[in-house]
Amino acid sequence: QLQMQESGPGLVKPSETLSLTCTVSGDSISSSNYYWAWIRQTPGKRPEWIGAIYYTGSTYYTPSLRSRVTISVDTSKSKFSLKLTSMTAADTAVYYCARHRTPLSQPPDYWGQGTLVTVSS
Amino acid sequence: SYELTQPPSVSVAPGETARIACGGDNIGSKSVHWFQQKPGQVPVLVISYDSDRPSGIPERLSGSNSGNTATLTITRVEAGDEADYYCQVWDSSSAVVFGGGTKLTVL
Repeated sequence: QLQMQESGPGLVKPSETLSLTCTVSGDSISSSNYYWAWIRQTPGKRPEWIGAIYYTGSTYYTPSLRSRVTISVDTSKSKFSLKLTSMTAADTAVYYCARHRTPLSQPPDYWGQGTLVTVSS
Repeated sequence: SYELTQPPSVSVAPGETARIACGGDNIGSKSVHWFQQKPGQVPVLVISYDSDRPSGIPERLSGSNSGNTATLTITRVEAGDEADYYCQVWDSSSAVVFGGGTKLTVL
């Protein structure tokens, strides 16, 4: 059974870079059947899709965050990561890693439990 | 960027039918997916591709999509259906887009 676990700091200072990692188990991160995504959600608000990566390293980002986001994958460790630069209070949210079946237009059908990231000095 | 509009709230009595709308420009030409999120929990996919139910989702939940509105319908509403519901589409320029969410209250 697929398991996805986010890890990273719960507190980030303004202007710093957020780094999160998602560890995937129970399925192959190198499978051609999936994309691996990051989604965030401010409590009480809609989810916001950040971007996704294919095992080959091909990435897709939402336009509004593209200048600040980098998603990478380490297939040898079955992990993929998110870096978000220039953090502000508006980036405070629960960050989820998620899976899309190919093609990427399919909905994210499996989500990790999420990790709360607070931006504060 | 593509936008999806949902009513903030819908209220229905137990046993009645709830209909949650999701509006978007010519949304009928897109595939719409629906997520259910209960307080403190992770969103769960309940309808994909307008009207397909993933395994384990009860038949009481159904979806439709035409013109500028997609609709999630929940028949014989139960207290356990109380949740936030989000519609979602893929747009070629905006990528993955979520609606603003509708809070379903069971009276």
